[in-house]
Amino acid sequence: DAKTTQPNSMESNEEEPVHLPCNHSTISGTDYIHWYRQLPSQGPEYVIHGLTSNVNNRMASLAIAEDRKSSTLILHRATLRDAAVYYCILRDVRTGGYQKVTFGTGTKLQVIP
Amino acid sequence: DAMVIQNPRYQVTQFGKPVTLSCSQTLNHNVMYWYQQKSSQAPKLLFHYYDKDFNNEADTPDNFQSRRPNTSFCFLDIRSPGLGDAAMYLCATSREQGTDTQYFGPGTRLTVL
Repeated sequence: DAKTTQPNSMESNEEEPVHLPCNHSTISGTDYIHWYRQLPSQGPEYVIHGLTSNVNNRMASLAIAEDRKSSTLILHRATLRDAAVYYCILRDVRTGGYQKVTFGTGTKLQVIP
Repeated sequence: DAMVIQNPRYQVTQFGKPVTLSCSQTLNHNVMYWYQQKSSQAPKLLFHYYDKDFNNEADTPDNFQSRRPNTSFCFLDIRSPGLGDAAMYLCATSREQGTDTQYFGPGTRLTVL
């Protein structure tokens, strides 16, 4: 499986944008980039995913490098409720059957009031 | 509104005493998963059910078993809990096995005395 690398932790001030990087230099052409986050004492929740083009939804934006070897999750205005561990995960769309979600170490985001 | 429900949220058991954790879903999803998450670590998949088909991860200890009596419910049985089994246990569902989004419950925190 292609691996992802994320910083262990990041800090952001409340109300400011946050850019969470993820490196995936061995990504294959059929790997989707997924992001999940886990708030304290809760289960992970889906944030966003993309293949090649940048993606936006109500929670965040995903910027994907042209060579797809890296991506950035963007939270446009961080709130205290965004403090969580953010996981960047690759999932291969070729697999018609079972597709395991393998969580890496993730980035722990601290939001400072 | 709850979609994936786990009971209880906190479970205390004694060393070697069998324990069962439960998960239910209102999403009518085909796939249900059990993850183990130890302190400060990422979730690790134990096994999953696709409908009634059980799929065990290769490194899941025999001490862990699962049952899925119907679409809505799935149980995690730990036959003889050891101190090393103290963890958060997360249940998740997805509509299909491919790259579908996984929806997680809030988890059950297991303490082994």
